[in-house]
Amino acid sequence: ILNVEQSPQSLHVQEGDSTNFTCSFPSSNFYALHWYRWETAKSPEALFVMTLNGDEKKKGRISATLNTKEGYSYLYIKGSQPEDSATYLCAPRRGSARQLTFGSGTQLTVLP
Amino acid sequence: DTEVTQTPKHLVMGMTNKKSLKCEQHMGHRAMYWYKQKAKKPPELMFVYSYEKLSINESVPSRFSPECPNSSLLNLHLHALQPEDSALYLCASSHSGDGTTEAFFGQGTRLTVV
Repeated sequence: ILNVEQSPQSLHVQEGDSTNFTCSFPSSNFYALHWYRWETAKSPEALFVMTLNGDEKKKGRISATLNTKEGYSYLYIKGSQPEDSATYLCAPRRGSARQLTFGSGTQLTVLP
Repeated sequence: DTEVTQTPKHLVMGMTNKKSLKCEQHMGHRAMYWYKQKAKKPPELMFVYSYEKLSINESVPSRFSPECPNSSLLNLHLHALQPEDSALYLCASSHSGDGTTEAFFGQGTRLTVV
């Protein structure tokens, strides 16, 4: 079983604040890392798929970085908006494993 | 069309019932997945179909029986379930099954076993 840790578990920020969360995973035999956003009563939505050490990806106000050597990824949200309120899940995959393992997620609430 | 459609959205069934969950996608994806999600826990993989063949069964009890009639459809047949099987069942699909392409998820079926 792949040990995936996400921190913090939950987070409340004010509208306009920037924030970031962490996903930690075993660095050995890394293959790929996914980030998903899951809003209440909706489907999980893919944000990024990252495969290379040092990768940086950006989608609007959201960006992510990847360090495969030390086994972590950061997700950043710049100028948080209430519509960013959701649970953010990371899911790494090792080369030896057959599929993704999801972390428990960071639940973000952006207060207006 | 980037949707994965799951039916029904909610299902209540008794322990002796037989029911099926359905999932459909028209994105030409060749990998389809069933996940189970219990409250406050991450989604757990149950089954993976790749090119309509079952490629992964994560030691799921036989009371759950997956079926992939064609490349667009995925079913999960349920029989003799237990109350602890109550959960959100998510279907997903991706272009490839190797983990390098994003997965598209349905909204899930909220299953309650009574």
